[in-house]
Amino acid sequence: DAGVIQSPRHEVTEMGQEVTLRCKPISGHNSLFWYRQTMMRGLELLIYFNNNVPIDDSGMPEDRFSAKMPNASFSTLKIQPSEPRDSAVYFCASSAGTSKAHVTQYFGPGTRLTVL
Amino acid sequence: GIQVEQSPPDLILQEGANSTLRCNFSDSVNNLQWFHQNPWGQLINLFYIPSGTKQNGRLSATTVATERYSLLYISSSQTTDSGVYFCAVTGSSNTGKLIFGQGTTLQVKP
Repeated sequence: DAGVIQSPRHEVTEMGQEVTLRCKPISGHNSLFWYRQTMMRGLELLIYFNNNVPIDDSGMPEDRFSAKMPNASFSTLKIQPSEPRDSAVYFCASSAGTSKAHVTQYFGPGTRLTVL
Repeated sequence: GIQVEQSPPDLILQEGANSTLRCNFSDSVNNLQWFHQNPWGQLINLFYIPSGTKQNGRLSATTVATERYSLLYISSSQTTDSGVYFCAVTGSSNTGKLIFGQGTTLQVKP
């Protein structure tokens, strides 16, 4: 059974460009999470969807970041315009839990973003 | 919000040695997971353990929720155990997001 799938695995772009990261959760999971990992801040949640609806976006750093989940099998995280400080590894995770019942979250391989 | 502290921050072992990693958290939790981040950056689930004890091969974990800590035991360590070990929790008042500790970096020498 496939795990969480993320694309691209690596992205190098120039400051000011739009970046779109993609995630396919594990089939049957109804919760999807976007996390970011940096040396300075460690791993932190950006946004959490349950049944395709954003539940907690308090971690989204600013208006340059947006996330969508148009259906149960696909989500995007967009940065427009990108800045060098956005360079990080972005992880997508999914679980079969809800906001009331917390279960194991499974992480994708991550997208390493470098903004020059 | 809930705080997660891991210790030690760094650990160097000789192959075959045993080790204990600790995770303290500041409030009651609904979810606690241990992860291993390997040298390629992949986050691998080790345990989902909000309470009690579990074992998987050379690894075991114990969470004492009433005392707000969890321990990860690695026995007969191997070089492939090297990497960063993260503890992450979901607070009882949280919607489901995991709060990560800063990790323990383990290096196992041959």
